[in-house]
Amino acid sequence: RKEVEQDPGPFNVPEGATVAFNCTYSNSASQSFFWYRQDCRKEPKLLMSVYSSGNEDGRFTAQLNRASQYISLLIRDSKLSDSATYLCVVGNYGGSQGNLIFGKGTKLSVKP
Amino acid sequence: DAGVIQSPRHEVTEMGQEVTLRCKPISGHNSLFWYRQTMMRGLELLIYFNNNVPIDDSGMPEDRFSAKMPNASFSTLKIQPSEPRDSAVYFCASSFVAAVEQYFGPGTRLTVT
Repeated sequence: RKEVEQDPGPFNVPEGATVAFNCTYSNSASQSFFWYRQDCRKEPKLLMSVYSSGNEDGRFTAQLNRASQYISLLIRDSKLSDSATYLCVVGNYGGSQGNLIFGKGTKLSVKP
Repeated sequence: DAGVIQSPRHEVTEMGQEVTLRCKPISGHNSLFWYRQTMMRGLELLIYFNNNVPIDDSGMPEDRFSAKMPNASFSTLKIQPSEPRDSAVYFCASSFVAAVEQYFGPGTRLTVT
């Protein structure tokens, strides 16, 4: 089982649509969670951290379900500029494994 | 504030040549990471350093790859000899401590012919 799994997409949606991405992780001891965004031919950039209580940043809402080892990202009222690849990221502490594990990403294309 | 700086941005070289990629992390960050990204394999961690000490190099493909961090503000990733299958984008990232959000450099796009 891969450490972090995402649906690769692509998700093709019209402007204004609501779109949801899901991600599962295999290490139940993981302690930090993030969504990163990567534009074509650019570096990944932090979109938002994900907290157990859920968190919202404008049109973006992230949820974490530790029991199911499941992370989600909801984008409301999608814009053309939201077109990018969204990477689910899980952080593991302790020992030699204090690093982030990146999923392969879900590609989103927002059309006019 | 300057972000993570990488050089060169693009590198085209012939098979068998030595390639050196450079990275300057964000000042004050204690952890530095080298990644490789390809369409097939996604983003792969090659090696990371905490306080200039290599902690996990299990992602380094083989002995042709080596990385150093002689001080807190500089790291290199060297490939010798390079092969066509090494063609990829190589990212350097840094963070204040490991397992928290990382900040990526713009990457080096390496093509080995």
